[in-house]
Amino acid sequence: DSGVTQTPKHLITATGQRVTLRCSPRSGDLSVYWYQQSLDQGLQFLIHYYNGEERAKGNILERFSAQQFPDLHSELNLSSLELGDSALYFCASSRGGQGDSPLHFGNGTRLTVT
Amino acid sequence: QKEVEQDPGPLSVPEGAIVSLNCTYSNSAFQYFMWYRQYSRKGPELLMYTYSSGNKEDGRFTAQVDKSSKYISLFIRDSQPSDSATYLCAAQKVTFGIGTKLQVIP
Repeated sequence: DSGVTQTPKHLITATGQRVTLRCSPRSGDLSVYWYQQSLDQGLQFLIHYYNGEERAKGNILERFSAQQFPDLHSELNLSSLELGDSALYFCASSRGGQGDSPLHFGNGTRLTVT
Repeated sequence: QKEVEQDPGPLSVPEGAIVSLNCTYSNSAFQYFMWYRQYSRKGPELLMYTYSSGNKEDGRFTAQVDKSSKYISLFIRDSQPSDSATYLCAAQKVTFGIGTKLQVIP
């Protein structure tokens, strides 16, 4: 068990809808990272938060947004969903904000858009 | 060209074999490298974390980084059927290889 908790495990929704994915980092970790994993694209970095502040953005669509709350949990909001958004969404946490500590992943949320 | 290239395999080996998994990267500024193991429908599990060049060993696993050739490797000794999974290499924390699917045959 990595100590990173993601909810829900599975989500099935229709095109055009909005969903929220939740992540609780490991105790003591200040950084939260979000990734999307699809079969043909591998693991794609979306966004990084450190202690409540956005630190870096990757290939995140404008329809997607995230935030990290004072208790350090994070939420990823996906709106105007399309079929192509179906994927596994992973959250990972690390102690610091730079490369000096490794990432620990949750078990992901499997999103299916129908 | 992706920043981290990894052969997706699949790679099949007999139980007990030494497995060599490799990645190349293009950005010479990368300093931190990680290897993850991912079982089907699970999150990636950290195996090795290395900084700059050199070797790091942990049990049956050895990670190597050669910054001069921008090449990173993971060796698995005495491979077991339970090692059958997808192995992901990563540079820094935001750039991942596509993963190599490994099957260890009893």
